[in-house]
Amino acid sequence: AQKVTQAQTEISVVEKEDVTLDCVYETRDTTYYLFWYKQPPSGELVFLIRRNSFDEQNEISGRYSWNFQKSTSSFNFTITASQVVDSAVYFCALSVRFSSGSARQLTFGSGTQLTVLP
Amino acid sequence: DAMVIQNPRYQVTQFGKPVTLSCSQTLNHNVMYWYQQKSSQAPKLLFHYYDKDFNNEADTPDNFQSRRPNTSFCFLDIRSPGLGDAAMYLCATSRETGTDTQYFGPGTRLTVL
Repeated sequence: AQKVTQAQTEISVVEKEDVTLDCVYETRDTTYYLFWYKQPPSGELVFLIRRNSFDEQNEISGRYSWNFQKSTSSFNFTITASQVVDSAVYFCALSVRFSSGSARQLTFGSGTQLTVLP
Repeated sequence: DAMVIQNPRYQVTQFGKPVTLSCSQTLNHNVMYWYQQKSSQAPKLLFHYYDKDFNNEADTPDNFQSRRPNTSFCFLDIRSPGLGDAAMYLCATSRETGTDTQYFGPGTRLTVL
C-alpha cells in the first residue's frame, strides 16, 4: 500500500521568509512518480512539479525548489522569499500503477495549509 | 488553451434529488478521473475511465455513477444525494504514456439542502 505523510498541517510565515514543506512517502514499487500540487482558495488543484523515482536531481524553478531524497523517502518543497499569493493548501502526492495495470493511482498527503502574512 | 472544464462550478440540490456534474477536456487524454474532496481533506478517488473501461474504487458508494460518452466528456451522477455528499468534486485527466501527470479542472462545489 502507498502512503504519503505531510506532518505539517498548517504553517504561517511573514512575507519574504523562506518556508519548507515536508513530504515523506511509502511504497514498495520501484517505479513511481512524486508530485506537488497547489490548491488556492478557489479550489482548483494546480500541478507544480513531477519527479520520477529514478531522478534524484533537485530542481529549482524561480522561487520554488524541490529536494528529492530516496534514502529518506522524502520530497520536500521550499518556497524562497514567500509572497502573499503563495497562500494555499499544498498537497504532495505519489503515483503508482493501479493493480489492474490501467492508469496510475494518485495517493495524496493530507495537505499543508500555508499562510503568508503581509 | 487546452484545459479541463467542469460545469457547473457551484451546484445546489435537495436531499434525494438526482444531480449530474459535467467534465470536459480539450487535452485529448485517454484517462479521466473523478475525485471527491471534503473540507480540509485530501481528494479521494471515486473512479476512473481508461478509454472506455470503467474502474470503480472499492469503497465508492453505489449512489455514485459515471458515464463517458466520448473521449472529451465524462459525467458524475449522484442518484440520491445525502447531506454527507456535500463536497468539492474534482475531475482530472491524464495521458497514459509515461509521465501520467493528472491535470485537474476547477471543481464543482456541491451543496445538499
